[in-house]
Amino acid sequence: NAGVMQNPRHLVRRRGQEARLRCSPMKGHSHVYWYRQLPEEGLKFMVYLQKENIIDESGMPKERFSAEFPKEGPSILRIQQVVRGDSAAYFCASSPNSPHRTGGSNQPQHFGDGTRLSIL
Amino acid sequence: QKEVEQNSGPLSVPEGAIASLNCTYSDRVSQSFFWYRQYSGKSPELIMSIYSNGDKEDGRFTAQLNKASQYVSLLIRDSQPSDSATYLCAVRGSQGNLIFGKGTKLSVKP
Repeated sequence: NAGVMQNPRHLVRRRGQEARLRCSPMKGHSHVYWYRQLPEEGLKFMVYLQKENIIDESGMPKERFSAEFPKEGPSILRIQQVVRGDSAAYFCASSPNSPHRTGGSNQPQHFGDGTRLSIL
Repeated sequence: QKEVEQNSGPLSVPEGAIASLNCTYSDRVSQSFFWYRQYSGKSPELIMSIYSNGDKEDGRFTAQLNKASQYVSLLIRDSQPSDSATYLCAVRGSQGNLIFGKGTKLSVKP
């Protein structure tokens, strides 16, 4: 019963390159959340996706960042033209149901091991 | 702006003592609250969830919720050095995302 799988675990990019971070939710989970954790900071929400839909992207920077969760395959967080300030740990979490369904708001989110992104 | 506040610590307690971690939140309509533990360089791990006023116990951990005071706490009894970590308080936002505090760093001294 695999948990949330993220890859790669570590990613090094030079400024201006693109970074692609992948997340496969727990089996049976169709809701994915991405969070970013800067050094010595708490986790900040970025985006909430359901299969083929972005539900809430209020935490996403307006430029260079995008996310998708296709019908088949993992969720992808894409960062274009990376800058040093993008260096952080990026965590993905999943839950089985919408938080708006009865009892859904009580379901905890289970986190993957994260991707540590380093920008040279 | 919905906020979750925690003392950053470090909170230092001797082995065997009770560690008390506190958290306040700004959104009065929040209904779901979570405590995560995060070891350095690792991912957050769910410790406790609480939804109703009062206490909820699970082994050495007790979560306490007071919605009137917008206050949630975590007690760790018989603290062990392996409990040394950063403890993150999280509140469910209206869209389903979690709003995290910055975390309290706990150090349990042998």
